[in-house]
Amino acid sequence: GAGVSQSPRYKVAKRGQDVALRCDPISGHVSLFWYQQALGQGPEFLTYFQNEAQLDKSGLPSDRFFAERPEGSVSTLKIQRTQQEDSAVYLCASSSSGQPRVEQFFGPGTRLTVL
Amino acid sequence: AQSVTQLGSHVSVSEGALVLLRCNYSSSVPPYLFWYVQYPNQGLQLLLKYTSAATLVKGINGFEAEFKKSETSFHLTKPSAHMSDAAEYFCAVSGGDDKIIFGKGTRLHILP
Repeated sequence: GAGVSQSPRYKVAKRGQDVALRCDPISGHVSLFWYQQALGQGPEFLTYFQNEAQLDKSGLPSDRFFAERPEGSVSTLKIQRTQQEDSAVYLCASSSSGQPRVEQFFGPGTRLTVL
Repeated sequence: AQSVTQLGSHVSVSEGALVLLRCNYSSSVPPYLFWYVQYPNQGLQLLLKYTSAATLVKGINGFEAEFKKSETSFHLTKPSAHMSDAAEYFCAVSGGDDKIIFGKGTRLHILP
C-alpha cells in the first residue's frame, strides 16, 4: 500500500479482555516500531522489529504486552487481560532501516479504550 | 540517556505571524533531533530532522529548525503562520540506537 495501515482504528474492550492490534507496514520496509501514546502525551517506544526479529522490547510496560512479526511484514501487538491504564492510541511505524536518521513513517493509530 | 522538553503545551499565533515552538534536549551522545506534526486522527508526519550535518535544517511546509549545541535547543520556526498549520507538534531525540524519545507535544493554534 501507499502508507502504513493499522486496524482496527478504534477498539473498545472490557477490562480483562484480550485484544490484538494489527499493523501493515509499507511494502519492503524492514524495520517496524510500536509506540503507545497516552492522552495528552507524546508517543512512547514499545518495541522494534528488524524483519521478523524483535531486537528491542524494552518499552513494553508489562508481560501482558506481546508483539510479533512472524513473516517480517505484518505485525500484531497483543495485550492480554486489558486494564484501564492500557487505554491509549497505539501507533505503528515502519522504515527502510533501523537507523533513526532514516525516516519512520507512521500509521494513523489504533485508539484503545478499556472500560 | 536522552530526553526532550517542549516549552508550552499550547501556543497561539495570529495568521501571518511568526511561529516559534521551543524544544530543549538532553543527550549523553551526539543526538539526532526531529520535529513531527500530528493532525487530528492522523499519524505523525516528519517535518524535519537534524543528523549532524548543517545546523540549520529546512523542512516541509516552510518550517525550519536550528540546532544549537551550546543551548541544547532545537526550536522550530516558520516566518508566517497559515491556518493549515494548526496541529500538534512533537520534538524528538535519538542517541543513534533504534529508540526515538518524544516530547509531550505543543498544540499550535492559529488565530484568524
